[in-house]
Amino acid sequence: EIVLTQSPGTLSLSPGERATLSCRASQSVSSSYLAWYQQKPGQAPRLLIYGASSRATGIPDRFSGSGSGTDFTLTINRLEPEDFAVYYCQQYGSSPWTFGQGTKVEIK
Amino acid sequence: QVQLVQSGAEVKKPGASVKVSCKASGYTFTSHGISWVRQAPGQGLEYMGWISAYNGNTNYVQKLQGRVTMTTDTSTSTAYMELRSLKSDDTAVYYCARVAYTSGFDYWGQGTLVTVSS
Repeated sequence: EIVLTQSPGTLSLSPGERATLSCRASQSVSSSYLAWYQQKPGQAPRLLIYGASSRATGIPDRFSGSGSGTDFTLTINRLEPEDFAVYYCQQYGSSPWTFGQGTKVEIK
Repeated sequence: QVQLVQSGAEVKKPGASVKVSCKASGYTFTSHGISWVRQAPGQGLEYMGWISAYNGNTNYVQKLQGRVTMTTDTSTSTAYMELRSLKSDDTAVYYCARVAYTSGFDYWGQGTLVTVSS
């Protein structure tokens, strides 16, 4: 099973700043099948990024994903108030599919 | 538009079973799989497994093998997740999500709270 470790656990930033979230896999993620999700309190997760770097439909271009192999990054440029949430990475290249433990982006 | 609508909240006693439904609309049901993900209170997302709506093939996480069954009814475009021998640590919000194969889980249901308590 591929274990995904996200860091940091919590990121305290101000609106307008850049957020950089990390997701490290215990082994190489097949075909860069790595996704990022955003979850706000009381809501279902929302797909942001798939294939490590492709934005899902309707996702603003301030969200970007990068990486390959075992190291992946989600960058949020110019944080908007609605971006403060918990972010999860997920690998769906090897069974069982797995999620990271999440990074909370909070208002400083 | 694609929608996944789940059944309502459930309260169950330890040892009982629960069956959660997920009705899909807005796309060809058999063209995608359905995955189930749960989230215990204040915790992260836990992947449970998935089912192909095309042929009914399933893949469950080892931790839940023997207690979980995922099925689909293509006549009503509905997926089901049954969890048996419930324990208190099965208390969670259960989500269904559409599997887009190369694109992750692109649509999610609203979640169903299952509470296991004596």
